[in-house]
Amino acid sequence: GAGVSQSPSNKVTEKGKDVELRCDPISGHTALYWYRQSLGQGLEFLIYFQGNSAPDKSGLPSDRFSAERTGGSVSTLTIQRTQQEDSAVYLCASSLGSGVTGELFFGEGSRLTVL
Amino acid sequence: SQQGEEDPQALSIQEGENATMNCSYKTSINNLQWYRQNSGRGLVHLILIRSNEREKHSGRLRVTLDTSKKSSSLLITASRAADTASYFCATDAGGNNRLAFGKGNQVVVIP
Repeated sequence: GAGVSQSPSNKVTEKGKDVELRCDPISGHTALYWYRQSLGQGLEFLIYFQGNSAPDKSGLPSDRFSAERTGGSVSTLTIQRTQQEDSAVYLCASSLGSGVTGELFFGEGSRLTVL
Repeated sequence: SQQGEEDPQALSIQEGENATMNCSYKTSINNLQWYRQNSGRGLVHLILIRSNEREKHSGRLRVTLDTSKKSSSLLITASRAADTASYFCATDAGGNNRLAFGKGNQVVVIP
Protein backbone atom coordinates (compact mmCIF):
# COMPACT_ATOMS: atom_id res chain seq x y z
CA GLY A 1 0.00 0.00 0.00
CA ALA A 2 0.98 3.61 -0.38
CA GLY A 3 0.34 4.67 3.19
CA VAL A 4 1.72 3.90 6.62
CA SER A 5 0.60 0.48 7.73
CA GLN A 6 0.26 -0.57 11.36
CA SER A 7 -0.54 -3.94 12.88
CA PRO A 8 -2.36 -5.19 14.75
CA SER A 9 -5.18 -2.68 14.56
CA ASN A 10 -6.51 -3.94 17.86
CA LYS A 11 -4.79 -5.85 20.61
CA VAL A 12 -6.29 -7.02 23.89
CA THR A 13 -3.85 -8.47 26.37
CA GLU A 14 -3.63 -9.39 29.99
CA LYS A 15 -1.65 -7.37 32.47
CA GLY A 16 1.94 -8.58 32.63
CA LYS A 17 2.11 -9.88 29.06
CA ASP A 18 4.47 -8.50 26.43
CA VAL A 19 3.14 -6.96 23.21
CA GLU A 20 4.71 -6.01 19.90
CA LEU A 21 3.29 -3.36 17.62
CA ARG A 22 4.47 -3.05 14.06
CA CYS A 23 4.77 -0.07 11.74
CA ASP A 24 5.54 -0.20 8.04
CA PRO A 25 6.30 3.36 6.87
CA ILE A 26 5.97 4.82 3.43
CA SER A 27 8.78 3.62 1.23
CA GLY A 28 11.65 6.11 1.11
CA HIS A 29 10.62 8.00 4.23
CA THR A 30 13.66 8.39 6.44
CA ALA A 31 11.90 9.70 9.54
CA LEU A 32 9.66 7.50 11.68
CA TYR A 33 7.82 8.49 14.83
CA TRP A 34 5.83 6.66 17.48
CA TYR A 35 3.21 8.56 19.45
CA ARG A 36 0.73 7.42 22.08
CA GLN A 37 -2.80 8.77 22.32
CA SER A 38 -4.86 8.10 25.40
CA LEU A 39 -8.64 8.45 25.28
CA GLY A 40 -9.64 12.02 24.51
CA GLN A 41 -6.07 13.26 24.80
CA GLY A 42 -3.45 14.70 22.53
CA LEU A 43 -0.46 12.83 21.20
CA GLU A 44 2.41 11.94 23.48
CA PHE A 45 5.77 11.60 21.74
CA LEU A 46 7.51 8.28 22.36
CA ILE A 47 10.45 7.79 19.99
CA TYR A 48 11.92 9.16 16.75
CA PHE A 49 14.08 7.40 14.16
CA GLN A 50 15.93 9.30 11.44
CA GLY A 51 17.87 7.32 8.89
CA ASN A 52 20.80 5.50 10.42
CA SER A 53 21.17 7.93 13.30
CA ALA A 54 20.72 6.88 16.90
CA PRO A 55 17.02 7.15 17.78
CA ASP A 56 15.64 9.80 20.10
CA LYS A 57 14.18 7.65 22.87
CA SER A 58 13.54 10.49 25.27
CA GLY A 59 9.75 10.10 25.18
CA LEU A 60 9.61 6.45 26.23
CA PRO A 61 7.74 6.45 29.57
CA SER A 62 9.62 3.58 31.20
CA ASP A 63 12.21 0.90 30.52
CA ARG A 64 9.37 -1.49 29.72
CA PHE A 65 9.09 0.29 26.38
CA SER A 66 11.55 -0.24 23.56
CA ALA A 67 11.54 0.17 19.81
CA GLU A 68 13.72 -0.76 16.91
CA ARG A 69 13.80 -0.01 13.25
CA THR A 70 15.33 -2.62 11.01
CA GLY A 71 17.01 -1.68 7.76
CA GLY A 72 15.72 1.85 8.01
CA SER A 73 12.21 0.65 7.24
CA VAL A 74 9.87 -1.40 9.43
CA SER A 75 9.69 -0.49 13.10
CA THR A 76 8.53 -2.52 16.08
CA LEU A 77 7.43 -1.03 19.39
CA THR A 78 7.64 -3.52 22.24
CA ILE A 79 5.98 -3.12 25.60
CA GLN A 80 7.06 -5.59 28.24
CA ARG A 81 5.04 -6.56 31.30
CA THR A 82 2.10 -4.46 30.19
CA GLN A 83 0.16 -2.42 32.73
CA GLN A 84 -3.40 -1.12 32.53
CA GLU A 85 -2.11 2.42 32.11
CA ASP A 86 -0.46 1.32 28.86
CA SER A 87 -3.93 1.08 27.30
CA ALA A 88 -4.00 3.62 24.47
CA VAL A 89 -3.80 3.99 20.73
CA TYR A 90 -0.24 3.80 19.47
CA LEU A 91 0.27 5.86 16.34
CA CYS A 92 3.14 5.59 13.92
CA ALA A 93 4.03 8.31 11.44
CA SER A 94 6.68 8.74 8.78
CA SER A 95 7.98 11.62 6.73
CA LEU A 96 10.50 12.58 4.11
CA GLY A 97 13.32 14.29 5.91
CA SER A 98 12.38 15.74 9.25
CA GLY A 99 8.76 15.69 10.33
CA VAL A 100 9.01 19.14 11.83
CA THR A 101 9.66 20.80 8.48
CA GLY A 102 7.08 18.92 6.49
CA GLU A 103 4.08 16.69 6.61
CA LEU A 104 3.80 13.64 8.84
CA PHE A 105 1.91 10.70 7.39
CA PHE A 106 0.13 8.70 10.07
CA GLY A 107 -1.01 5.13 10.18
CA GLU A 108 -4.43 4.17 11.50
CA GLY A 109 -2.97 3.22 14.86
CA SER A 110 -2.86 0.13 17.04
CA ARG A 111 -5.40 0.18 19.83
CA LEU A 112 -4.01 -1.59 22.88
CA THR A 113 -6.24 -2.68 25.74
CA VAL A 114 -4.62 -4.14 28.83
CA LEU A 115 -7.04 -6.01 31.06
CA SER B 1 4.24 21.86 29.76
CA GLN B 2 2.91 20.72 26.42
CA GLN B 3 3.49 22.92 23.43
CA GLY B 4 0.67 23.47 21.00
CA GLU B 5 -2.43 23.76 23.13
CA GLU B 6 -5.78 24.29 21.55
CA ASP B 7 -8.64 26.13 23.19
CA PRO B 8 -10.27 23.16 24.94
CA GLN B 9 -13.59 23.65 23.20
CA ALA B 10 -15.96 21.17 21.70
CA LEU B 11 -17.73 22.95 18.87
CA SER B 12 -21.12 21.96 17.63
CA ILE B 13 -22.27 23.86 14.58
CA GLN B 14 -24.81 23.63 11.79
CA GLU B 15 -23.73 22.62 8.34
CA GLY B 16 -22.80 25.68 6.32
CA GLU B 17 -21.57 27.67 9.31
CA ASN B 18 -17.94 28.54 9.91
CA ALA B 19 -15.88 26.89 12.62
CA THR B 20 -12.94 28.60 14.31
CA MET B 21 -10.50 27.03 16.72
CA ASN B 22 -7.39 28.38 18.36
CA CYS B 23 -4.01 27.13 19.41
CA SER B 24 -1.40 28.71 21.63
CA TYR B 25 2.19 27.77 22.27
CA LYS B 26 4.86 28.87 24.67
CA THR B 27 8.22 29.06 22.94
CA SER B 28 9.43 30.25 19.57
CA ILE B 29 8.69 28.07 16.58
CA ASN B 30 9.79 27.63 12.99
CA ASN B 31 6.44 26.38 11.83
CA LEU B 32 3.05 25.24 13.01
CA GLN B 33 0.92 22.49 11.52
CA TRP B 34 -2.75 21.55 11.76
CA TYR B 35 -3.99 17.98 11.56
CA ARG B 36 -7.44 16.40 11.45
CA GLN B 37 -8.40 13.12 13.05
CA ASN B 38 -11.65 11.38 12.26
CA SER B 39 -12.97 9.09 14.97
CA GLY B 40 -10.89 5.94 15.27
CA ARG B 41 -8.51 6.94 12.50
CA GLY B 42 -5.00 8.30 12.15
CA LEU B 43 -4.18 11.98 11.77
CA VAL B 44 -4.24 13.69 8.41
CA HIS B 45 -2.12 16.73 7.67
CA LEU B 46 -4.11 19.82 6.71
CA ILE B 47 -1.75 22.75 6.47
CA LEU B 48 1.65 24.03 7.54
CA ILE B 49 2.36 27.68 8.21
CA ARG B 50 5.87 29.01 8.69
CA SER B 51 6.86 31.53 11.32
CA ASN B 52 7.37 34.24 8.70
CA GLU B 53 3.85 33.76 7.33
CA ARG B 54 0.76 35.39 8.80
CA GLU B 55 -2.00 33.68 6.88
CA LYS B 56 -2.39 30.69 4.65
CA HIS B 57 -5.31 29.23 2.73
CA SER B 58 -6.08 25.75 1.52
CA GLY B 59 -9.52 25.22 0.03
CA ARG B 60 -12.05 25.98 2.76
CA LEU B 61 -9.33 26.24 5.40
CA ARG B 62 -7.73 29.45 6.57
CA VAL B 63 -4.91 29.44 9.07
CA THR B 64 -3.49 32.50 10.77
CA LEU B 65 -0.36 32.77 12.84
CA ASP B 66 0.48 35.54 15.28
CA THR B 67 4.00 34.96 16.56
CA SER B 68 3.81 37.98 18.87
CA LYS B 69 0.90 36.35 20.70
CA LYS B 70 2.20 32.84 20.14
CA SER B 71 -1.13 31.75 18.76
CA SER B 72 -2.73 30.33 15.65
CA SER B 73 -6.28 29.91 14.47
CA LEU B 74 -7.88 27.50 12.06
CA LEU B 75 -11.04 28.57 10.28
CA ILE B 76 -13.18 26.13 8.35
CA THR B 77 -15.63 27.94 6.13
CA ALA B 78 -18.97 26.56 4.93
CA SER B 79 -18.65 23.49 7.11
CA ARG B 80 -19.87 20.09 6.00
CA ALA B 81 -20.89 17.02 7.97
CA ALA B 82 -17.67 15.39 6.76
CA ASP B 83 -15.70 18.04 8.67
CA THR B 84 -16.79 16.39 11.93
CA ALA B 85 -13.47 15.43 13.52
CA SER B 86 -10.87 16.43 16.07
CA TYR B 87 -8.40 19.08 15.00
CA PHE B 88 -4.89 19.25 16.41
CA CYS B 89 -2.21 21.84 16.12
CA ALA B 90 1.41 20.82 16.34
CA THR B 91 4.59 22.83 16.62
CA ASP B 92 8.27 22.16 16.34
CA ALA B 93 8.79 23.90 19.67
CA GLY B 94 9.41 20.54 21.29
CA GLY B 95 12.89 20.57 19.79
CA ASN B 96 14.93 17.61 18.60
CA ASN B 97 12.92 17.19 15.42
CA ARG B 98 9.75 16.22 17.21
CA LEU B 99 6.30 17.69 16.73
CA ALA B 100 4.49 18.60 19.94
CA PHE B 101 0.74 18.14 19.65
CA GLY B 102 -2.05 19.75 21.62
CA LYS B 103 -5.06 17.95 23.05
CA GLY B 104 -7.26 18.71 20.08
CA ASN B 105 -10.57 20.44 19.43
CA GLN B 106 -13.59 18.29 18.68
CA VAL B 107 -15.86 19.72 16.01
CA VAL B 108 -19.31 18.32 15.28
CA VAL B 109 -21.09 19.55 12.18
CA ILE B 110 -24.81 18.87 12.28
CA PRO B 111 -26.38 18.19 8.87
